[in-house]
Amino acid sequence: RKEVEQDPGPFNVPEGATVAFNCTYSNSASQSFFWYRQDCRKEPKLLMSVYSSGNEDGRFTAQLNRASQYISLLIRDSKLSDSATYLCVVISGGYQKVTFGTGTKLQVIP
Amino acid sequence: DVKVTQSSRYLVKRTGEKVFLECVQDMDHENMFWYRQDPGLGLRLIYFSYDVKMKEKGDIPEGYSVSREKKERFSLILESASTNQTSMYLCASSSYNEQFFGPGTRLTVL
Repeated sequence: RKEVEQDPGPFNVPEGATVAFNCTYSNSASQSFFWYRQDCRKEPKLLMSVYSSGNEDGRFTAQLNRASQYISLLIRDSKLSDSATYLCVVISGGYQKVTFGTGTKLQVIP
Repeated sequence: DVKVTQSSRYLVKRTGEKVFLECVQDMDHENMFWYRQDPGLGLRLIYFSYDVKMKEKGDIPEGYSVSREKKERFSLILESASTNQTSMYLCASSSYNEQFFGPGTRLTVL
């Protein structure tokens, strides 16, 4: 089993739709979780951190479910500019090992 | 703004050549990372460093070495380039958890 798994998509959604992605992780001792966004031919950039209590930033909500070992990202009222690949990141271990998921591609359609 | 720069955006080398990829960050970050990104495989960690002259293997260190002689600079070395090392190489630096990425170097080994 991969350490961090994501559905590669693509998720094709109309503008204004709500879309959710999940990301599962295998190491129950993982400590920190993040969502990154990567535009085509660009480097990844931090979108938001994921806290146990959940985290909301405008149209974006991130949640952590430790019991089932997954994190989620919810995007409300999708915009064309949300089209990108969304990468989940899990940090674990004493050396703070960083593991990226393979990414979920989102395409918002007019 | 944190700035992470990489020495080349595009590089073409021949099989067997020694290749140096340079990464420089300007925010006095302790941690620096080298990844490669391939379609369907996502970002995979090659090496990381938490201090000057310190290095740790990531998930795929074979065929690579690194050097960190100064805090701001982290070099990735391909001792003898092979065609399966054709990839996008991304450098990142971090202070705590957020990683800041350079623009990437697309390396082609012929």
